[in-house]
Amino acid sequence: QKEVEQNSGPLSVPEGAIASLNCTYSDRGSQSFFWYRQYSGKSPELIMFIYSNGDKEDGRFTAQLNKASQYVSLLIRDSQPSDSATYLCAVGRETSYDKVIFGPGTSLSVIP
Amino acid sequence: DTEVTQTPKHLVMGMTNKKSLKCEQHMGHRAMYWYKQKAKKPPELMFVYSYEKLSINESVPSRFSPECPNSSLLNLHLHALQPEDSALYLCASSQAYGTGTSGRANEQFFGPGTRLTVL
Repeated sequence: QKEVEQNSGPLSVPEGAIASLNCTYSDRGSQSFFWYRQYSGKSPELIMFIYSNGDKEDGRFTAQLNKASQYVSLLIRDSQPSDSATYLCAVGRETSYDKVIFGPGTSLSVIP
Repeated sequence: DTEVTQTPKHLVMGMTNKKSLKCEQHMGHRAMYWYKQKAKKPPELMFVYSYEKLSINESVPSRFSPECPNSSLLNLHLHALQPEDSALYLCASSQAYGTGTSGRANEQFFGPGTRLTVL
């Protein structure tokens, strides 16, 4: 089992719809969870982070964390073509070393 | 200043060349990272420096040599690379473990990357 898994893409949604991106992780000691957006040929950009169970909203983005189910998701409301990118889930645990584990990424395409 | 900068943006080198990649941040972060990313793959961790000391080396070949001259700068020295080393090399920084808010130590900010081609 991979440490961090994401729903296989590519994911296509129509403009204005809700895009749902999912991530599961295997290490129950994980404590910090991040979503990065990466446009083709560019570097990853941190768009959301969540540490506590429940929902966290920032504009059109909502991150949801369920530690009991070892599951974190990212919802993008009112999807725009500019949201078309690869979304990377990253998971960290609080240790003496600073390291996160990245999932393989999910490619999202928003169709106008 | 919330930016991580990297130079050069692009680099083409032969297998016998020696070159260096440079990274700089002025966010007061005490952890800095080198990642390698191949097309359609996630970033792959290479090295972590925490408080200017090498804390993680992910079994990277010795043809890659990291250096952290001070808390703001990170270099990656390249020598005798192979064509399969061609990739996007990313630098990132974060608050180090033990500073700031718990969990924020893993909140990494990436530079724009250096696109490396080895001929």
